[in-house]
Amino acid sequence: DAGVTQSPTHLIKTRGQQVTLRCSPKSGHDTVSWYQQALGQGPQFIFQYYEEEERQRGNFPDRFSGHQFPNYSSELNVNALLLGDSALYLCASSSGDNPYEQYFGPGTRLTVT
Amino acid sequence: AQSVTQPDIHITVSEGASLELRCNYSYGATPYLFWYVQSPGQGLQLLLKYFSGDTLVQGIKGFEAEFKRSQSSFNLRKPSVHWSDAAEYFCAVAPMNYGQNFVFGPGTRLSVLP
Repeated sequence: DAGVTQSPTHLIKTRGQQVTLRCSPKSGHDTVSWYQQALGQGPQFIFQYYEEEERQRGNFPDRFSGHQFPNYSSELNVNALLLGDSALYLCASSSGDNPYEQYFGPGTRLTVT
Repeated sequence: AQSVTQPDIHITVSEGASLELRCNYSYGATPYLFWYVQSPGQGLQLLLKYFSGDTLVQGIKGFEAEFKRSQSSFNLRKPSVHWSDAAEYFCAVAPMNYGQNFVFGPGTRLSVLP
């Protein structure tokens, strides 16, 4: 049983560019949450998707957007990249039956130069 | 606003010694409480969680945590640390019955001496 997978593993972008990160949830899970983890800090909640809709959102600007597909996979898009967007981006999945048991993927390391 | 503090940025213990990692939270009501571990280059793994009931909860890898409402604390303990426990540990809270926007603490890095 595959766990949560994320792609790519690493990514280097230039300021002002746009980036798309991808996440496939654990089998049987229908909810996907995204977190940003800056170096030396704990993860910060970006948003959560359920039934292809953004259900909750943390304190992040509109440059951060997402999407969930019918197969429950999800994308995180970040526009107009800033140096401060450099971080590890974590995806977590959960199910409606057990929404607080989140399984995390290994993350995508984004570096903005 | 809700917040989680982990007073110890870095802790070093000898293998076989006991361990306690501290976590305090600030929240309007008692939230759900969690401890996660993150090894280098890895995602987060859930060690244990507290929702209600017995305030001493057991988790994986021999970890346990105790919820103390009066102190707004949820400290993680292990009686005998193994070298493989070296990692970053995060305490997290989530509001009861209102979604899963977890709030994480800044983490405590654990080093284990042979």
